[in-house]
Amino acid sequence: GQSLEQPSEVTAVEGAIVQINCTYQTSGFYGLSWYQQHDGGAPTFLSYNGLDGLEETGRFSSFLSRSDSYGYLLLQELQMKDSASYFCAARNSGNTPLVFGKGTRLSVIA
Amino acid sequence: DVKVTQSSRYLVKRTGEKVFLECVQDMDHENMFWYRQDPGLGLRLIYFSYDVKMKEKGDIPEGYSVSREKKERFSLILESASTNQTSMYLCASSPPGRETQYFGPGTRLLVL
Repeated sequence: GQSLEQPSEVTAVEGAIVQINCTYQTSGFYGLSWYQQHDGGAPTFLSYNGLDGLEETGRFSSFLSRSDSYGYLLLQELQMKDSASYFCAARNSGNTPLVFGKGTRLSVIA
Repeated sequence: DVKVTQSSRYLVKRTGEKVFLECVQDMDHENMFWYRQDPGLGLRLIYFSYDVKMKEKGDIPEGYSVSREKKERFSLILESASTNQTSMYLCASSPPGRETQYFGPGTRLLVL
């Protein structure tokens, strides 16, 4: 099976940088994904790391270290609209469904 | 743009009723999924399907069944609704071999 651990809540100041960590325990591993969900909205895909290292998409970056079973989502130049829940997700193999962490609720304050 | 639609945003049902939640996607995706989302528990997989007439149990299938008669439509069925099935239900679809899952807006179900 799989389990993913991430902090339940994080608070950060507008304009700052915040890192949301995700550690995983899996019987197999096929890469780490990140999803964003605003209150009342649907989860939307943010990024995917299939290999170790950093993936950058604008203000958001995601990092993976397979040897440490660890990844993180980095949000830079925080804006109020970044207040949302962020989920890491992984799968055992290319043919199995995603398993999601319980989510990290990010609050951006002025 | 990929579009995943769900039949209702809000639904109120009585205990013991049979409940149908419909999900339709317009991008010809093979893979479709049903999750439920509860505070503090994240998204938990109920059932998934990788092809028409194919279904696989997820992590919490008890009390649910599904139907996939057409590629674009994946239905979740609560045979006899119970109060512990009050939840937000999210449908998602994805093409095979791709990491991106596209979610519908969700159905918030209240069972009284």
